[in-house]
Amino acid sequence: AQSVTQLGSHVSVSEGALVLLRCNYSSSVPPYLFWYVQYPNQGLQLLLKYTSAATLVKGINGFEAEFKKSETSFHLTKPSAHMSDAAEYFCAVISSGTYKYIFGTGTRLKVLA
Amino acid sequence: DAGVIQSPRHEVTEMGQEVTLRCKPISGHDYLFWYRQTMMRGLELLIYFNNNVPIDDSGMPEDRFSAKMPNASFSTLKIQPSEPRDSAVYFCASSHDGLSPYGYTFGSGTRLTVV
Repeated sequence: AQSVTQLGSHVSVSEGALVLLRCNYSSSVPPYLFWYVQYPNQGLQLLLKYTSAATLVKGINGFEAEFKKSETSFHLTKPSAHMSDAAEYFCAVISSGTYKYIFGTGTRLKVLA
Repeated sequence: DAGVIQSPRHEVTEMGQEVTLRCKPISGHDYLFWYRQTMMRGLELLIYFNNNVPIDDSGMPEDRFSAKMPNASFSTLKIQPSEPRDSAVYFCASSHDGLSPYGYTFGSGTRLTVV
C-alpha cells in the first residue's frame, strides 16, 4: 500500500530563512506525489506535483520539491520564507489504480518576524 | 469559474439531528470527492464519484453517512442521526481527472459542530 510520512508536525523558521518540509513516501510502483497548502479556514490548494517527468518540480509562491527515488523522499523547499507562507502543508500520494489521494498528517509552518 | 462551492460554511446542530452538506463541483469535472478533516485523524477520504456514480465509499464511517450525486453539478453528504464525534471540517473536491495538472480543486469546507 502507498503512504506518505511527514516528519515534523510543526516547523518554525525566521522570515527570510530557508523553508524545508520533509515528506517520505512508500510505494511499490512509481508514485505521483503532491504538495498542498491549507491556509486558515480554507480548503487545500495545490502547490506542486510530481508525475515522473523532471525530478525537480517548481510550484507556486516560490516553492519547489525534488523527487529522490533513492531516498524515497519528496521534500518541499523555499529559499526565503515570507510571513504569508505560514500555513499547514500536506504531502500526498495517489493510490495506484485509483484516483484516491493519501494525505500525510500535515506540517504547520510558522514564520517568525 | 467560481471554484468548488460548499454550503453551509458552518453548521451547528444537536445530536440526533439530520445534517446535509452540499457541494457544487467545477463545471466539466468528472470526479467528485468528499473528505473529512479532524485533528485526530487528519484528512480522510469518505467517498468519491466518477460521472455521478459512486466508485469507492469504503471511507464512509457508518451507515449514518450517505452521499448522493443526482447530477453533474450537485452532491450531498448526509448524516442521520448526527453524533458529537462527527464534528469536523468536511471538504468537497473535484477534478477533471485524477492526474489533472491542477490536481484537485477543494472547496472551502463546511465546519460541522454537533453538540
